[in-house]
Amino acid sequence: QQPVQSPQAVILREGEDAVINCSSSKALYSVHWYRQKHGEAPVFLMILLKGGEQKGHDKISASFNEKKQQSSLYLTASQLSYSGTYFCGTEIRNAGNMLTFGGGTRLMVKP
Amino acid sequence: DVKVTQSSRYLVKRTGEKVFLECVQDMDHENMFWYRQDPGLGLRLIYFSYDVKMKEKGDIPEGYSVSREKKERFSLILESASTNQTSMYLCATTYGPPGELFFGEGSRLTVL
Repeated sequence: QQPVQSPQAVILREGEDAVINCSSSKALYSVHWYRQKHGEAPVFLMILLKGGEQKGHDKISASFNEKKQQSSLYLTASQLSYSGTYFCGTEIRNAGNMLTFGGGTRLMVKP
Repeated sequence: DVKVTQSSRYLVKRTGEKVFLECVQDMDHENMFWYRQDPGLGLRLIYFSYDVKMKEKGDIPEGYSVSREKKERFSLILESASTNQTSMYLCATTYGPPGELFFGEGSRLTVL
């Protein structure tokens, strides 16, 4: 039941944009996004609870298309500090409080 | 600040040994989760618990069991450790329906 993330890895230059996608085969109740830096625990970025919801955090934003069971994370004008692995977590409808994560997207931002 | 403490950062065990990984949180959160993290596979859910003595299987429960006798403590048990259970184990907690997850620092287990 793990969601599928794409791409698996991306390399950017500072200031460039990136999009990370997350898709599920099941109807979703919510989508979470987390970032994990090397050697550290994952850190919460945002939750999207409603189909069509969009949220932003600095220059990082996300959208949730409930009908397509997909979410996308947008990183605009990337900074060196954006480097890390990004995970989407999905809560499936009628599956209790279970939260499952995708395989992760490794993002590297170079000067 | 929420604090999620995992008992051991690094463990080395032998095949067949019984292994206990403990997780303690200090924020009265209802939900607690155990994930394992392996390169390329992301975070895979082993078990979760939404209340004391309640547990639900995640995606990969085989070879594991859990115990939640008190609200603040959630233990992961490997009854007979095997080499394919060598991994990083992460505990996480959240209040109510999954809101923001707070993760522990992780326990890196090596089974020889």
